[in-house]
Amino acid sequence: DSGVTQTPKHLITATGQRVTLRCSPRSGDLSVYWYQQSLDQGLQFLIQYYNGEERAKGNILERFSAQQFPDLHSELNLSSLELGDSALYFCASSVGGAVNIQYFGAGTRLSVL
Amino acid sequence: DQQVKQNSPSLSVQEGRISILNCDYTNSMFDYFLWYKKYPAEGPTFLISISSIKDKNEDGRFTVFLNKSAKHLSLHIVPSQPGDSAVYFCAASEIQGAQKLVFGQGTRLTINP
Repeated sequence: DSGVTQTPKHLITATGQRVTLRCSPRSGDLSVYWYQQSLDQGLQFLIQYYNGEERAKGNILERFSAQQFPDLHSELNLSSLELGDSALYFCASSVGGAVNIQYFGAGTRLSVL
Repeated sequence: DQQVKQNSPSLSVQEGRISILNCDYTNSMFDYFLWYKKYPAEGPTFLISISSIKDKNEDGRFTVFLNKSAKHLSLHIVPSQPGDSAVYFCAASEIQGAQKLVFGQGTRLTINP
């Protein structure tokens, strides 16, 4: 158990809809990262938050947004969903600093039908 | 532009023998490297890491070697056990600035009894 909790485990929805994925980081970790793993691609970085503030952005679509709340949990919002958004979405957390070991949750499998 | 490459999609090794997984990178700004192991339906699990100031790091049966001049790292597992069968991802990051992990495509390791 990595200590990172993601909900829900599975999500099935239709094109055009909006969903919210939730992540609770390990106790004490201030950084939260979101990654996407599609069938034909490896893990791709989406966005990072550190102590409530956006720290870095990757190839995140404009239809996607995220935030980190005062209790440090994070949510990834995906809107106007398309078939190609079907993927595994992972959240990771780390203490930050020179030793950048990120601990991953079990992921949310999103299926857009 | 794939900055981290794992050129072997799969590897099969006899139980008890050494497993060697390889990884190449192109970005000379990377200074922290990690290996993750992933089972189906689970998130990546951190295995071992190495900073660019070292050329070797050992943790039990796992050893990571870093050759900065060749921009190459490898993971050695000795002795290999059936429970080691999984997909292994190499990842790299910059300690300063954005600490996103850049992942390779993964190598599926199968340990045969």
